[in-house]
Amino acid sequence: DAGITQSPRYKITETGRQVTLMCHQTWSHSYMFWYRQDLGHGLRLIYYSAAADITDKGEVPDGYVVSRSKTENFPLTLESATRSQTSVYFCASSEGLVTGELFFGEGSRLTVL
Amino acid sequence: KQEVTQIPAALSVPEGENLVLNCSFTDSAIYNLQWFRQDPGKGLTSLLLIQSSQREQTSGRLNASLDKSSGRSTLYIAASQPGDSATYLCAVKAGGSNYKLTFGKGTLLTVNP
Repeated sequence: DAGITQSPRYKITETGRQVTLMCHQTWSHSYMFWYRQDLGHGLRLIYYSAAADITDKGEVPDGYVVSRSKTENFPLTLESATRSQTSVYFCASSEGLVTGELFFGEGSRLTVL
Repeated sequence: KQEVTQIPAALSVPEGENLVLNCSFTDSAIYNLQWFRQDPGKGLTSLLLIQSSQREQTSGRLNASLDKSSGRSTLYIAASQPGDSATYLCAVKAGGSNYKLTFGKGTLLTVNP
């Protein structure tokens, strides 16, 4: 089915472990984004990508790494997970950066123990 | 710095009532404003996107208006139904930094049968 799919939907890990959250979109949108949603902070942008091999930092990039070797995939890696990274992570995509409508995936709920 | 405020934080109405959700933003130099719906444990679903040159957009029972000069947008829901119960978020795309989408904290709507 068309759209954005995220995996895993739920993940429990331990402090210090590496975790990768996957995001795949079937629209061939140029722009992809990673947000985290936390109570009290709302949605905050972690990283975004304008095209394959082009990525840039958002508001809260520390502790995260992204890559985009293919247009349709935009994985987010936590190289050494910390408890403060416990959150719900959303991937999103958009056809156009300035005027494009933003579409979200279902989210990945990550718990770091 | 763009700030987006949504009032009220929570709203409870009886089924069938027409209602208005409010969104205000501090910097009128925006590209567009988007309204989303979020159900518990789910991702954000795009409802309406209003470009800066537009005054309103309609989709079914939903109508969103935009007044850039006063920094306000409203989402009007006609003949509310229990299925409309969700959190509604507005997000503004800033004019200065073209990737940045600033979200409000949302309004939790409950429609009682």
